[in-house]
Amino acid sequence: NAGVMQNPRHLVRRRGQEARLRCSPMKGHSHVYWYRQLPEEGLKFMVYLQKENIIDESGMPKERFSAEFPKEGPSILRIQQVVRGDSAAYFCASSPTQGQNSPLHFGNGTRLTVT
Amino acid sequence: DQQVKQNSPSLSVQEGRISILNCDYTNSMFDYFLWYKKYPAEGPTFLISISSIKDKNEDGRFTVFLNKSAKHLSLHIVPSQPGDSAVYFCAARWRGGNKLVFGAGTILRVKS
Repeated sequence: NAGVMQNPRHLVRRRGQEARLRCSPMKGHSHVYWYRQLPEEGLKFMVYLQKENIIDESGMPKERFSAEFPKEGPSILRIQQVVRGDSAAYFCASSPTQGQNSPLHFGNGTRLTVT
Repeated sequence: DQQVKQNSPSLSVQEGRISILNCDYTNSMFDYFLWYKKYPAEGPTFLISISSIKDKNEDGRFTVFLNKSAKHLSLHIVPSQPGDSAVYFCAARWRGGNKLVFGAGTILRVKS
């Protein structure tokens, strides 16, 4: 039973390019969360999605960042026109249900480096 | 506005002794608390959780204590092993909520 799969593991982009991060949740999980960890900091919530719906995007920067979780395929976190401050580890997590006492299961992250 | 705080950036413990990691929270609407462990270049791994209706939960060498009146929880690891060396994150969820709010983490080093 595969866990949460994220790819790529490492992504290098030049300033101004676009970054696309992918996340496949655990089998049977329909809730996906994206978190960002800046160097020397904890994990900061970005967005929570269910299939075809954004439920909570209160942690997403207002510009350049978007997320989707289509009916088929992985969830995508998209960062347009990347800047050096976007360099971070981006973690995806999934859960089977919402609002109950179940933990989130995390992938191993995508480390984005903007040069 | 940090709602979940881990005030000790690091902790060093001798192998075989007890490790105690602490966490404080400010929001009384949190009702579910979790501890995660993270190795470098990996994602956080769920360790143990506790609901606000309990004050203790135990799983093998790991015990989490919750003091609601003090808005404080702690993770006890007994006995500590070198493989426990990692970053430990405390997290909390609102009643009926979905996302987790994380503390900044505590680096635990277990010396052999």
